[in-house]
Amino acid sequence: GENVEQHPSTLSVQEGDSAVIKCTYSDSASNYFPWYKQELGKGPQLIIDIRSNVGEKKDQRIAVTLNKTAKHFSLHITETQPEDSAVYFCAGGFSSGSARQLTFGSGTQLTVLP
Amino acid sequence: GAGVSQSPRYKVAKRGQDVALRCDPISGHVSLFWYQQALGQGPEFLTYFQNEAQLDKSGLPSDRFFAERPEGSVSTLKIQRTQQEDSAVYLCASSTRTGSGETQYFGPGTRLLVL
Repeated sequence: GENVEQHPSTLSVQEGDSAVIKCTYSDSASNYFPWYKQELGKGPQLIIDIRSNVGEKKDQRIAVTLNKTAKHFSLHITETQPEDSAVYFCAGGFSSGSARQLTFGSGTQLTVLP
Repeated sequence: GAGVSQSPRYKVAKRGQDVALRCDPISGHVSLFWYQQALGQGPEFLTYFQNEAQLDKSGLPSDRFFAERPEGSVSTLKIQRTQQEDSAVYLCASSTRTGSGETQYFGPGTRLLVL
């Protein structure tokens, strides 16, 4: 099955700086890569996603890049703000028969220092 | 519009008790997923429904775990004879499409503590 590895596990940045979180996946059949933000006591919230026919996608301060050859994808947050502090999860998904679940990374605790 | 809702939000059970966790997906969403999230970890897949059909239950950790979605909307995850290792947050997600790459919208989760 799919295996998604995520690093770093913790990341502290100064407000206004950029943050980068990286993930690798094992199954070349994966074709959908969402990123979720999870705040304490809440469920994961989708912030951006990318599909395998696109190499990069941007939404305001958030961007995701995908390298299918190397099987890795990254989340970039620019001009970080204290409200960006949360746990971020990457995930990989694919369709194989009836399987449609997401496989998540282990998460990155991002702290933006004011 | 309303998102995915789950109840109860918190549940404390004594070891050996049965529990039932409810998920109300976004109206009209065909697909429904259950995930288990241990403390400090990412969500792990448990089971998947397309309408009322349970198409994948490969992630259920034991036969003590049972899920149903009889009318293709509300779903219930039942855990029989709970054990301490069942303590986790149980997340429900729903999505509109049935193909690969559909966006999954998560509920707030039910935090289960087994004493």
